Amino acid sequence: AQSVAQPEDQVNVAEGNPLTVKCTYSVSGNPYLFWYVQYPNRGLQFLLKYITGDNLVKGSYGFEAEFNKSQTSFHLKKPSALVSDSALYFCAVRRLAGGYNKLIFGAGTRLAVHP
Amino acid sequence: NAGVTQTPKFQVLKTGQSMTLQCAQDMNHEYMSWYRQDPGMGLRLIHYSVGAGITDQGEVPNGYNVSRSTTEDFPLRLLSAAPSQTSVYFCASSTGTWWYGYTFGSGTRLTVV
Repeated sequence: AQSVAQPEDQVNVAEGNPLTVKCTYSVSGNPYLFWYVQYPNRGLQFLLKYITGDNLVKGSYGFEAEFNKSQTSFHLKKPSALVSDSALYFCAVRRLAGGYNKLIFGAGTRLAVHP
Repeated sequence: NAGVTQTPKFQVLKTGQSMTLQCAQDMNHEYMSWYRQDPGMGLRLIHYSVGAGITDQGEVPNGYNVSRSTTEDFPLRLLSAAPSQTSVYFCASSTGTWWYGYTFGSGTRLTVV
């Protein structure tokens, strides 16, 4: 069954430093992978997706993610972190069942960017 | 263009009470779904709908009921609230070309005492 794992509950990084939020996946067939961000007291916002094509996917707010098939990973990255990037980040994978595209989410990783 | 609107934003219920969480979207999306968010567990799918009159169960459907009489609305009913249903509930919608991602509402924080 399709699933994703986010091994870190929290990631701490200093402002201006690069950041990485990790995600590994387990799927049968070609994976459809997503990253969402949740700011405090808000709903989830779509950041980026990998369906096919280039392994480096660029998304909103300067984020990018690298799809690595051999390592079954889809890590979220940003070259220079901002304090405003502090939020809860979710990795998700598509599960097609009953003709409906369900999103299966990881447990989430809290990113804290310190001034 | 409001996107996905959820009401209420906060609710406190007593054990055994029933209530309906409202969700409405104005984007003419075919697909709608309900998730619950619990600490350390991410988001889990409760129920979903692929169009008016068509609903199905997700991962954690017990204790919840849904119906979809119109494209715009997808209410979630708690039949007899239990403390285990204390959670944050999100409604989401998407088009048939779903890979553009789901649009989420801002959530309903429910506490059952």
